[in-house]
Amino acid sequence: GAGVSQSPSNKVTEKGKDVELRCDPISGHTALYWYRQSLGQGLEFLIYFQGNSAPDKSGLPSDRFSAERTGGSVSTLTIQRTQQEDSAVYLCASSGTSGLAGANEQFFGPGTRLTVL
Amino acid sequence: GQNIDQPTEMTATEGAIVQINCTYQTSGFNGLFWYQQHAGEAPTFLSYNVLDGLEEKGRFSSFLSRSKGYSYLLLKELQMKDSASYLCAVRGPGNMLTFGGGTRLMVKP
Repeated sequence: GAGVSQSPSNKVTEKGKDVELRCDPISGHTALYWYRQSLGQGLEFLIYFQGNSAPDKSGLPSDRFSAERTGGSVSTLTIQRTQQEDSAVYLCASSGTSGLAGANEQFFGPGTRLTVL
Repeated sequence: GQNIDQPTEMTATEGAIVQINCTYQTSGFNGLFWYQQHAGEAPTFLSYNVLDGLEEKGRFSSFLSRSKGYSYLLLKELQMKDSASYLCAVRGPGNMLTFGGGTRLMVKP
């Protein structure tokens, strides 16, 4: 597709349940990022995939959070045993050689709004 | 690590000029980005500075001083549709971005 897509757009779950959030990056982009944004706040980095290298997981807030990227394309962010404080918008971004030369700017998807009841 | 500071909120009048400042302290610097984010939408790329000076793109300009750890985004001829949050982000080693908390700009008639 032309841009980054994410699914679902909205997810409501009960405390303690597991959720999976999906991201389809722009075709050909080698880098993929997950961020979390709470209401009215900035973006909090979660995890970064670059090509076939080991992902940078330094932003994951707890071991309940994990992510994988299959075939260097689609990524899934999994949150186990969700808590109410996990409620936020989860944004995915990808970057590559498209866009402004030298910038390698990140292109963001529309996000998944997660609500944990 | 990275620390990014920008004002939380600003208000300006339609047709005016507004400057949104961003200061940063970093352990490595590989470029500074400004993104625009309308409420409920994804951030969209506005500008990129890696060398000192001013980059102009239509009504928007962005300035960088690496020695001062300082950038600003300048918006001219403000329009109502410019009401949004403006996010300053610094790229460190690799292609990782650290974002500031964002500046919510309200444009009034």
